[in-house]
Amino acid sequence: KQEVTQIPAALSVPEGENLVLNCSFTDSAIYNLQWFRQDPGKGLTSLLLIQSSQREQTSGRLNASLDKSSGRSTLYIAASQPGDSATYLCAVRSTPGNTGKLIFGQGTTLQVKP
Amino acid sequence: DAGITQSPRHKVTETGTPVTLRCHQTENHRYMYWYRQDPGHGLRLIHYSYGVKDTDKGEVSDGYSVSRSKTEDFLLTLESATSSQTSVYFCAIRKAGGDTDTQYFGPGTRLTVL
Repeated sequence: KQEVTQIPAALSVPEGENLVLNCSFTDSAIYNLQWFRQDPGKGLTSLLLIQSSQREQTSGRLNASLDKSSGRSTLYIAASQPGDSATYLCAVRSTPGNTGKLIFGQGTTLQVKP
Repeated sequence: DAGITQSPRHKVTETGTPVTLRCHQTENHRYMYWYRQDPGHGLRLIHYSYGVKDTDKGEVSDGYSVSRSKTEDFLLTLESATSSQTSVYFCAIRKAGGDTDTQYFGPGTRLTVL
């Protein structure tokens, strides 16, 4: 059974700092991995999607990497801003079938202090 | 936001009462999902649908049923609510095409069972 873990559960950094959020998964046979952002009281917004054949994806100040063999993904946020404060979740899709089911980590709550 | 709405947004009910949550989409996507989000657990899949009248169980389906009589509506029913079903419930649709295959989430329904 696939399990997804995110450590730490919470992180607080000063504005401007570069930071890395971690995601690990137990079964390396994944189809893709996604990073989502969730603001308090809101739904989830997809940030980056990495296919199993890819090593990384970039969007603006965000860079997500994938190492299937070690069961790890990282989300790198450059020059953090207070507006980056949110909960970040990673999710794994384990099967290539058409169900599209995702398995989520518990999330890392990020606070960027001005 | 992929035109997803959830109703009600907040509900307080008593143990043993039936509860139905509604998810509505405006874009006629085939796949729809119901998740629950609890502290320390991330999002967990309850049920999903791959077409009108086509549904299947997720990892935490006990105590829940779903129905999809129209493409645009996916209903989640708690036949007899229990305190353990106090949670935030999210609906999602799946968009797939080209290089992307991701889920878009509704704003959530906060359910409290007393």
